[in-house]
Amino acid sequence: DTGVSQNPRHKITKRGQNVTFRCDPISEHNRLYWYRQTLGQGPEFLTYFQNEAQLEKSRLLSDRFSAERPKGSFSTLEIQRTEQGDSAMYLCASSLPGPDYEQYFGPGTRLTVT
Amino acid sequence: GESVGLHLPTLSVQEGDNSIINCAYSNSASDYFIWYKQESGKGPQFIIDIRSNMDKRQGQRVTVLLNKTVKHLSLQIAATQPGDSAVYFCAEIPHAMNSGYSTLTFGKGTMLLVSP
Repeated sequence: DTGVSQNPRHKITKRGQNVTFRCDPISEHNRLYWYRQTLGQGPEFLTYFQNEAQLEKSRLLSDRFSAERPKGSFSTLEIQRTEQGDSAMYLCASSLPGPDYEQYFGPGTRLTVT
Repeated sequence: GESVGLHLPTLSVQEGDNSIINCAYSNSASDYFIWYKQESGKGPQFIIDIRSNMDKRQGQRVTVLLNKTVKHLSLQIAATQPGDSAVYFCAEIPHAMNSGYSTLTFGKGTMLLVSP
């Protein structure tokens, strides 16, 4: 257990529905990251926050995806109008800024869109 | 031996053997590299890192080697144990850390299978 928690662990939804995932980072970490991982691939960066500011977004993050970190603590990732191609593991990680770089990953949320 | 599975290259070793997992990275400007271990149903777990001003770094039972000339990274695991069975990913930072960006780019993983 790295100290990063994600909920839910599994989500099955029908195409066209909206889903929201939550990430609770390690409390003293002010950087928070979202990644997507499909079977057999490494995680792909989606977005990251420093405190409540969203500082970078990947081109993978289509306009159906939105992430928030309103108080600089937990974060949510929402996918609207889900598509079958959204089926993946969604990973959250957190870290301290600066030279101590290590990102601690949560266990992920497995999304299946039917 | 090493084989290419449906999704991941796989390295199969016997318990007690030394394992070497290789990674070719893409960006010559990357200056920080990390190896992660991912067990089934879990997120990636940090193993060891290395900065581009080094060519070797050792941890407990693990060694990372960096060859910047050919953009190659390797992870050596000594006395491999069944608990080492997992998928291993290398990751690089494509921007200088001083820029403030922290975006990790992961390589394709290698599955390590350790037989007792």
